[in-house]
Amino acid sequence: EPEVTQTPSHQVTQMGQEVILRCVPISNHLYFYWYRQILGQKVEFLVSFYNNEISEKSEIFDDQFSVERPDGSNFTLKIRSTKLEDSAMYFCASSATSGRGHEQFFGPGTRLTVL
Amino acid sequence: RKEVEQDPGPFNVPEGATVAFNCTYSNSASQSFFWYRQDCRKEPKLLMSVYSSGNEDGRFTAQLNRASQYISLLIRDSKLSDSATYLCVVNDSEGRHDMRFGAGTRLTVKP
Repeated sequence: EPEVTQTPSHQVTQMGQEVILRCVPISNHLYFYWYRQILGQKVEFLVSFYNNEISEKSEIFDDQFSVERPDGSNFTLKIRSTKLEDSAMYFCASSATSGRGHEQFFGPGTRLTVL
Repeated sequence: RKEVEQDPGPFNVPEGATVAFNCTYSNSASQSFFWYRQDCRKEPKLLMSVYSSGNEDGRFTAQLNRASQYISLLIRDSKLSDSATYLCVVNDSEGRHDMRFGAGTRLTVKP
């Protein structure tokens, strides 16, 4: 069964450093997403991406964040200068379609720890 | 602020019990509704989409009441493996992809 994969599974970084989180969405999916979940809190939407551009982003997704699809398979989330409060689990998701019933499938997540 | 609200639980039930979870959403324009389950420190996994007419998948039944902006999930004959956090997920409006998650309802099924 096709699945979303993410690397690394755990990333530890110093405050102020840049991190890049990587995702390989399901191969025939067209829509890609990043979510985050701070420990003990709800899953929060960050950004959606379609046709090589951002389609929606939340208020969390400020200038410190960027996304890219550098080739036909990878989808990345970059945090330019990490803050302590960026420590969270970051989930990538993908879906085949948009609109009603567009089920999103999640990767296993990258746990980001900012020290 | 547009919110998705769930009873946090925890629900502790014996094997074989029937348990129901409720969820309310504040945005009347929401069009897509889902139940996900999340095991501890794992990713959300899609359990089922929720359709206007209600739908069933084995032991799981989902209902949607648009007038009351209310979604439910019923689990019959619960198994130990059903122990997880159940997440109610709603999109904001048709054509949008950003999903709003409830905080989840924790279920523990005991032998």
